[in-house]
Amino acid sequence: GQQLNQSPQSMFIQEGEDVSMNCTSSSIFNTWLWYKQDPGEGPVLLIALYKAGELTSNGRLTAQFGITRKDSFLNISASIPSDVGIYFCAGQQGGSEKLVFGKGTKLTVNP
Amino acid sequence: SAVISQKPSRDICQRGTSLTIQCQVDSQVTMMFWYRQQPGQSLTLIATANQGSEATYESGFVIDKFPISRPNLTFSTLTVSNMSPEDSSIYLCSHDRVGAEAFFGQGTRLTVV
Repeated sequence: GQQLNQSPQSMFIQEGEDVSMNCTSSSIFNTWLWYKQDPGEGPVLLIALYKAGELTSNGRLTAQFGITRKDSFLNISASIPSDVGIYFCAGQQGGSEKLVFGKGTKLTVNP
Repeated sequence: SAVISQKPSRDICQRGTSLTIQCQVDSQVTMMFWYRQQPGQSLTLIATANQGSEATYESGFVIDKFPISRPNLTFSTLTVSNMSPEDSSIYLCSHDRVGAEAFFGQGTRLTVV
């Protein structure tokens, strides 16, 4: 099936640093979503993107829908310890209600 | 978004037995989805549960192993049948009440011994 390539797999950063992660695909997606999952919890939606080129912010988080519709990135500015978790990208293709998920980026923030 | 409650939150089960996971949404939703998340892995869609019709299963998942019920627009169950240790995973339900945005329950952490 369709796959999303998410990178990096893991990141170790110092508190206050900015973070960037991305997802790419060989196919076009109509929707890109970014989720965060804390241990023992389900994924929580952070940002939803619906238009190519769209840049959307949610507090310290910013995500963009790539102009080619085959990629998306998520930036976290001025990281804090509670940003720790696994971040997943997810995409939806035209004509399908199903979401395809990336493999996740595990973020560790050192105080 | 509608709030999703999933239970049990975790269970330890003997191999060969079955476990039914319940997912309750606090408002009516058209589609509900069941995912599996194996340890350290991403989410894989098991099936889409539609009210009034049989669930639609993804490649690699079959109804005999993962029977699903969707008796109304706010509730669904997933049964993991004849369990083996390979079924140890987190099972998550979600709904898509707002466009493409899927909202998840807290998951059921299943350990099969």
